[in-house]
Amino acid sequence: QKEVEQNSGPLSVPEGAIASLNCTYSDRGSQSFFWYRQYSGKSPELIMSIYSNGDKEDGRFTAQLNKASQYVSLLIRDSQPSDSATYLCAPGGTGRRALTFGSGTRLQVQP
Amino acid sequence: KAGVTQTPRYLIKTRGQQVTLSCSPISGHRSVSWYQQTPGQGLQFLFEYFSETQRNKGNFPGRFSGRQFSNSRSEMNVSTLELGDSALYLCASTDSLMNTEAFFGQGTRLTVV
Repeated sequence: QKEVEQNSGPLSVPEGAIASLNCTYSDRGSQSFFWYRQYSGKSPELIMSIYSNGDKEDGRFTAQLNKASQYVSLLIRDSQPSDSATYLCAPGGTGRRALTFGSGTRLQVQP
Repeated sequence: KAGVTQTPRYLIKTRGQQVTLSCSPISGHRSVSWYQQTPGQGLQFLFEYFSETQRNKGNFPGRFSGRQFSNSRSEMNVSTLELGDSALYLCASTDSLMNTEAFFGQGTRLTVV
């Protein structure tokens, strides 16, 4: 079983729609979770951090965490073409394990 | 506050050569992690350093090595380069090993010919 699993996509949504990105992880000791956005040819950029079960909202982004199900998701409301990128899910480092990334979901927002 | 600085940004090397990449973390951050990213691949973890000690290591051959200095700057070295080592090498800076946000440098794109 991979440490972090994401659907590779591409996930295609029309402009203005809600994009839903999902991630599952295997390490039950994970206490923190991060979402990164990576444009083609660029380095990953941190866009959301979540540490507790439930929802965390930041602008158009909402992260959702369910530790019992080992599941974390990212919702992007009012999707824009500029949101087209690869989104990487990453359980935080634990000391025994470094920050670990999923393979990413490619999002395409159609104008 | 300055971000994570990686040098050089681009590098072309010949098979069999060795290469050294550098990463200066955010001021005050004591942990640096290195990742390799190849086309179509996710971020593959290489190693993680904290206070000059390697704390975690990924599944890469011994040709890949690294170190961290007392000022938290880190270098990684790849010896006997192979064509398959062509990749974007990224370093990430955090202020501790556990549950903290990591910030990436712009990366070094290495091409082996």
